[in-house]
Parts: sequence; C-alpha cells; structure tokens
Amino acid sequence: GNSVTQMEGPVTLSEEAFLTINCTYTATGYPSLFWYVQYPGEGLQLLLKATKADDKGSNKGFEATYRKETTSFHLEKGSVQVSDSAVYFCALKSGGSNYKLTFGKGTLLTVNP
Amino acid sequence: NAGVTQTPKFQVLKTGQSMTLQCAQDMNHNSMYWYRQDPGMGLRLIYYSASEGTTDKGEVPNGYNVSRLNKREFSLRLESAAPSQTSVYFCASSERRGQGGMNTEAFFGQGTRLTVV
Repeated sequence: GNSVTQMEGPVTLSEEAFLTINCTYTATGYPSLFWYVQYPGEGLQLLLKATKADDKGSNKGFEATYRKETTSFHLEKGSVQVSDSAVYFCALKSGGSNYKLTFGKGTLLTVNP
Repeated sequence: NAGVTQTPKFQVLKTGQSMTLQCAQDMNHNSMYWYRQDPGMGLRLIYYSASEGTTDKGEVPNGYNVSRLNKREFSLRLESAAPSQTSVYFCASSERRGQGGMNTEAFFGQGTRLTVV
C-alpha cells in the first residue's frame, strides 16, 4: 500500500535559518505529491504540489522537487520567519489508491525570533 | 465563500453516548473525506465518499458510520463513543477532474475536537 515517511520533529530554528523537512514515499503507479501546512488551531491548507517527476512546486518561499529516482519530495525554505511556525504534512495521491490522500505523520516547526 | 464547514467545533461525550459530526462543502466537489488526527499519528482516513451515493472504508473505520446525504453533505456518526475515539476530526473535499482527481488538492474544514470521558 501507499505510505509517506517524514522526518521526526519537532524542528526548532532561528529566524532566517534554512529549513529542510525530508519526505519519502512508497506508492503504486505515479503519484501526485503535496505539502500541507496546519497553523495552530486551524485545518490543513495546501502549501504546494507536484504532479509528475522533476516538477518543482513552490509557494510563499517554500519549494519541493518531485524526485522519482529517490522517491522523495523534500520541503525547503531559504529563510524561515516566525510566521512559518506550524505543522507540515507531506502527502500523496495515487490512482492505485482510488485517489485518496495518504499523509505522513507531520513535522512541527517552531521558529524563534 | 465558506469552503468546508464542520459542526460542532468542540464536543465532550460520555462513554457509550452517540453523536453525529456534520460536514458541508459549497464548492460542488464530488469527493469527501473524514480523517482523524492524533498526536504522533498524522491524519488517518476513516471513511471517504468518491461521489454522491457511494461510501468506502478508509484506514480506521471501526466504531464509525457515515452518510453521504447529498453532494454537499457528509456526516460521521459515532454510535457508542469510546475514549479511544478522543481525537480531532477533519472533514475534507476535493474535485474529481482530469485523471479522476489525481492532481486536485483537498480542502479541509476547521476540525472538531472530540473528547470522550
């Protein structure tokens, strides 16, 4: 079956530091890949996505590249801000799963001023 | 544009009580989902409805039932609540277009925080 593995958190950084959150996946077929963000007390919202190999998704300074050869979709940001403090979820959707989203366990990011 | 609306936002139940969590979306999406979120477990799919009139079990369906009342509404029912069902519940919806919805994002409600004592 499908699965998503994210790096264990929590991650604590100082403002303007570089961020990487690792994500690897196992899936049938050729999945679409997503990063969702959950701010405190809120539901999840889409941060970025990539739908085929070598695609790069980007939004709000965050980027992730769909690497089929390493089955990875690592999230990066060059300079984090306090407002980026949230839980980040990697997810995939594949035809073999009837297009259901499968999530990783989430990574809590705290950015200190 | 409200998106996905869940009610209630908070609920405390006694063991053995029943309740229904309501979810409605106004985006004309075909697919709807119920997830539960627990610390260290991420989001786990309880049930989903690929289209109006169909429902299927997800990863953790035991102890729950669902009803896809119409295209807009998808409810989750706990018939006899147990402490293990203490969790935050999220409803989500997504469109099905192009490759059956392969590339479309899911939109989430604000969540229902349920405590069973």
